Amino acid sequence: EFVLTQSPGTLSLSPGERATLSCRASQSVRSNYLAWYQQKPGQAPRLLIYGASSRATGIPDRFIGSGSGTDFTLTISRLEPEDFAVYYCQQYDNSPRKFGQGTKVEIK
Amino acid sequence: EVQLVESGEGLVQPGESLRLSCAASGFMFSTYSMYWVRQAPGKGLEYLSGIGSGGENIHYADSVTGRYTISRDNSKNTLWLQMDRLRVEDMGVYYCARGRDGLLDRWGQGTVVTVSS
Repeated sequence: EFVLTQSPGTLSLSPGERATLSCRASQSVRSNYLAWYQQKPGQAPRLLIYGASSRATGIPDRFIGSGSGTDFTLTISRLEPEDFAVYYCQQYDNSPRKFGQGTKVEIK
Repeated sequence: EVQLVESGEGLVQPGESLRLSCAASGFMFSTYSMYWVRQAPGKGLEYLSGIGSGGENIHYADSVTGRYTISRDNSKNTLWLQMDRLRVEDMGVYYCARGRDGLLDRWGQGTVVTVSS
C-alpha cells in the first residue's frame, strides 16, 4: 500500500522564520507527481505546488518545492502571518491519489 | 471565475443514503476530470473518488468502493456522489475538486455530511 508520511506533525515558528516540511513516500513517485496543498481553518485546501517544484498560479515565490523519488520538501523561506496553516502533500502518480496526514505550521 | 459549489448536506442515520452535487461554472467542465475528497472532523484529507472528463476512468478509495458512486453530466456542468450504506465514519466535510490526472487545482467550499443514530 502506497503511504505518504509527513513530518513533523506540528512546526512552531515565528513570522519571518524559515519552515521546512517533509513528505516521504513508501515507494518512488513517478515523474515527481507530488503536490502540496495549504488549508486554513474553515477553508478548502488550495494547491500550492505541483510536479514537486512548480508553483501554482498566484502562489508567492517564498513557497519552494523540491525533491524527487521518495523524499520531498516544502520550504517556506520567510513565514508571513497568513502562512500559518496545515500543509498536505499528495501523490498523483497512481490511483487512489493519497494525501499525507498533514503538517500544522503554528505561531510560536 | 472558477466556481465549484457543493450541495446535498444532510443528517442521516447509519445505513441510509445521501446524494451530493457539485455545480461547476467559470470553466469548460467537460475538459476536466473531477474528484471528491473528504475530511472527517479534526482530521486530514482523504481522497475518495475521481472521474475522467468524459465519464471514463472512474476510481474509488478502498474505504468507499461498493458503497459510493461518482457520476457527472457535462451538459449540466454537474458532478454527483451517490453515497449508500453510510457509516458513522463517513461523517465529515465533502469537497469536490477540479483537476487533471489526479492533481486537484480548484476546490469547492465543501458540504457537511453527518451520520448519526
